Amino acid sequence: DSGVTQTPKHLITATGQRVTLRCSPRSGDLSVYWYQQSLDQGLQFLIQYYNGEERAKGNILERFSAQQFPDLHSELNLSSLELGDSALYFCASSDRAGANVLTFGAGSRLTVL
Amino acid sequence: EDKVVQSPLSLVVHEGDTVTLNCSYEVTNFRSLLWYKQEKKAPTFLFMLTSSGIEKKSGRLSSILDKKELFSILNITATQTGDSAVYLCATLCGGATNKLIFGTGTLLAVQP
Repeated sequence: DSGVTQTPKHLITATGQRVTLRCSPRSGDLSVYWYQQSLDQGLQFLIQYYNGEERAKGNILERFSAQQFPDLHSELNLSSLELGDSALYFCASSDRAGANVLTFGAGSRLTVL
Repeated sequence: EDKVVQSPLSLVVHEGDTVTLNCSYEVTNFRSLLWYKQEKKAPTFLFMLTSSGIEKKSGRLSSILDKKELFSILNITATQTGDSAVYLCATLCGGATNKLIFGTGTLLAVQP
């Protein structure tokens, strides 16, 4: 157990729908990162939050949004889902604002039918 | 565009063999290179390399960075079936966004 908790582990939904993925960082970590991993691509950085504020943005679609709450947990919202959004979504945390050694959660596998 | 390229994409070896995984990079504001092992789900941290030519070692795994030629290698000696995994290389880049860029990984399968 890495200490980073992600829910749900697996979800299946239809195109056009919206889902929310949740992440609780490791105790003491202030930064939360979201990554997308699909079969044909490596880990793609989506977005980072540090202590409630957006810190860095990667290849995140406009249909996707995220936030970090005062208790430091984070949610990634995916809307108007398309088949190509099917992937493993990882959350990672670190204790610093700048990226360094990240601790990853077990991931949430999204299947869009 | 920043990129991290790993090779080979996959390899199959027998237990006891030694393998070398490669990672080359072309990124701006390079700070460090990291190796992760991904078995079933969550990638787990292996090494962080910042200085050229200094080998990091952990048991049968070792890694070294060449900042002049922009690559790193990960060696695994006396491989075991438990080494079967995807090995991910990532570069930590500084600057305004301070981001971690991953390669697509090398899938290693160790057969008994």
